[in-house]
Amino acid sequence: DAGITQSPRHKVTETGTPVTLRCHQTENHRYMYWYRQDPGHGLRLIHYSYGVKDTDKGEVSDGYSVSRSKTEDFLLTLESATSSQTSVYFCAISSGSGTDTQYFGPGTRLTVL
Amino acid sequence: AQSVSQHNHHVILSEAASLELGCNYSYGGTVNLFWYVQYPGQHLQLLLKYFSGDPLVKGIKGFEAEFIKSKFSFNLRKPSVQWSDTAEYFCAVMYTSGTYKYIFGTGTRLKVLA
Repeated sequence: DAGITQSPRHKVTETGTPVTLRCHQTENHRYMYWYRQDPGHGLRLIHYSYGVKDTDKGEVSDGYSVSRSKTEDFLLTLESATSSQTSVYFCAISSGSGTDTQYFGPGTRLTVL
Repeated sequence: AQSVSQHNHHVILSEAASLELGCNYSYGGTVNLFWYVQYPGQHLQLLLKYFSGDPLVKGIKGFEAEFIKSKFSFNLRKPSVQWSDTAEYFCAVMYTSGTYKYIFGTGTRLKVLA
């Protein structure tokens, strides 16, 4: 398995509170991604990063922000959590090469009450 | 918009049955194609991938997939499934002309009966 860790692995929070999820990689890969997984929707891209301080939005970015100050860390922040953001969040990495392949972290299960 | 379709949402098979899961993608130029598997409670793991060359690719655990360019398809197959293949399977496409963004299908839940 690729060297990807996510923290926390489980979190329960209340509506309106800020939440930050962390993804850490040891592969020195250029690209990092945040997805959410919901039944019937598969994986949907929230934000991705193509380098330090270089990020872009995915298809479901509203209510989320990201930051990447170091190659190995990619943070996802829910500024004010809502119940619709209850989901499983997966981080992924890829090298950004011609044979680019995504590898996934273990996931974070977030419940917003 | 670029999209990926997986037509079978739920599949139930008996052990030793053959499996074929469909995946179609919308036209958008050259693509890299992937199948991932997600066992219950786990993260996505790569099953196999296609970049170029032989359109029939073999992956782990006896899975294979065939890229048919004219049909924009990348179907996953396994001749004889096992109970341990019970999982959710995701097809993914990366359009090489754009950024390194991946588009995933909605997944197929496979249940194999012992």
